[in-house]
Amino acid sequence: DQQVKQNSPSLSVQEGRISILNCDYTNSMFDYFLWYKKYPAEGPTFLISISSIKDKNEDGRFTVFLNKSAKHLSLHIVPSQPGDSAVYFCAAPRYGGSQGNLIFGKGTKLSVKP
Amino acid sequence: DSGVTQTPKHLITATGQRVTLRCSPRSGDLSVYWYQQSLDQGLQFLIQYYNGEERAKGNILERFSAQQFPDLHSELNLSSLELGDSALYFCASSVAGEKLFFGSGTQLSVL
Repeated sequence: DQQVKQNSPSLSVQEGRISILNCDYTNSMFDYFLWYKKYPAEGPTFLISISSIKDKNEDGRFTVFLNKSAKHLSLHIVPSQPGDSAVYFCAAPRYGGSQGNLIFGKGTKLSVKP
Repeated sequence: DSGVTQTPKHLITATGQRVTLRCSPRSGDLSVYWYQQSLDQGLQFLIQYYNGEERAKGNILERFSAQQFPDLHSELNLSSLELGDSALYFCASSVAGEKLFFGSGTQLSVL
């Protein structure tokens, strides 16, 4: 039972363009979401988060948008850089709230071409 | 560097064997989480410890067990290993649980 879904296994964009990574969830209890980035041979690292009281959170080139009615969130990277090439995971605390063990999507592999 | 240390980085063993994976959390973090990443399943939560006590259990097989010691380091024990146990095993730690900090993982290969 996948409560957090990332339906695109991979995405390829040109350097300087926008990357949009999507994530859908099924559990209405989820009200806090996180994005993690993972390079090969490294563990996932926290990138950005959003609470359900907001519909947008921005941190430099990274912006996360949340559409609660559609149970959908997206991560925008503008402009994309080759160093952004990694696997991106969407995650949510398993039992709602903003704490506790996380349930992850299967990830989207982003390739940014120079 | 997340501050979470996992050893060993790579482990090659045979079916039926038993292995122990070790994790040292970030200084001050009381919670330790273990995750398994296999090719088709993504990151699957196994178990969480908080200050030495088991806090939550996920998709952890009965052949697997874990513990957290008084110095807060944790060990994940995998026994009667099967080919399907080959995966990347991550440990993560947190203070309040809002953000998890992951180690670089142990790649387990069961031959």
